[in-house]
Amino acid sequence: GNSVTQMEGPVTLSEEAFLTINCTYTATGYPSLFWYVQYPGEGLQLLLKATKADDKGSNKGFEATYRKETTSFHLEKGSVQVSDSAVYFCALGFNDYKLSFGAGTTVTVRA
Amino acid sequence: GAGVSQSPSNKVTEKGKDVELRCDPISGHTALYWYRQSLGQGLEFLIYFQGNSAPDKSGLPSDRFSAERTGGSVSTLTIQRTQQEDSAVYLCASRGTGQGGQYFGPGTRLTVL
Repeated sequence: GNSVTQMEGPVTLSEEAFLTINCTYTATGYPSLFWYVQYPGEGLQLLLKATKADDKGSNKGFEATYRKETTSFHLEKGSVQVSDSAVYFCALGFNDYKLSFGAGTTVTVRA
Repeated sequence: GAGVSQSPSNKVTEKGKDVELRCDPISGHTALYWYRQSLGQGLEFLIYFQGNSAPDKSGLPSDRFSAERTGGSVSTLTIQRTQQEDSAVYLCASRGTGQGGQYFGPGTRLTVL
């Protein structure tokens, strides 16, 4: 079946630090890959997505590249802010249908 | 425009009671999804609607769970004879045509005492 494994948290960083959250997947075929973010007290929001190999999704300073050879979609941000504190979920889906999510990584950024 | 809305935002019920959770998708979105977010299981897919039909119910955990969608819009998730393990946040998402991604509602937090 399809599954997503992402880096366990929690992750605590200082402002302006570099953030990486690892995500790898197992799937039959070639899924689309997503990062969703859940800010405190809010619902899940789509952060970025990539639909085919070597695509790079980017939004709000975050980036992730679809690597078919390593079945990975690692999330990166060069300089985090306190407002980036949230839970981040990696997910996969086919035709954006029936998403399979990773367990989520809690990120806390300290001033 | 308005996003996905869900009601109630919180529901506390006693074991054995039935509950109904409602989802109002974004207007015009044909696809609608229900997920469950719980501490032990993470985010799990429950059911998918395309229009009023549900081509995939594979995630419903037992026959106590059912869902319907009417008029291609509002959906109701019903849990009969609730159990404590049903306690979770129930999330609804909708999607339009194209590759715009799924848009999630704020969820309903269900607590079964």
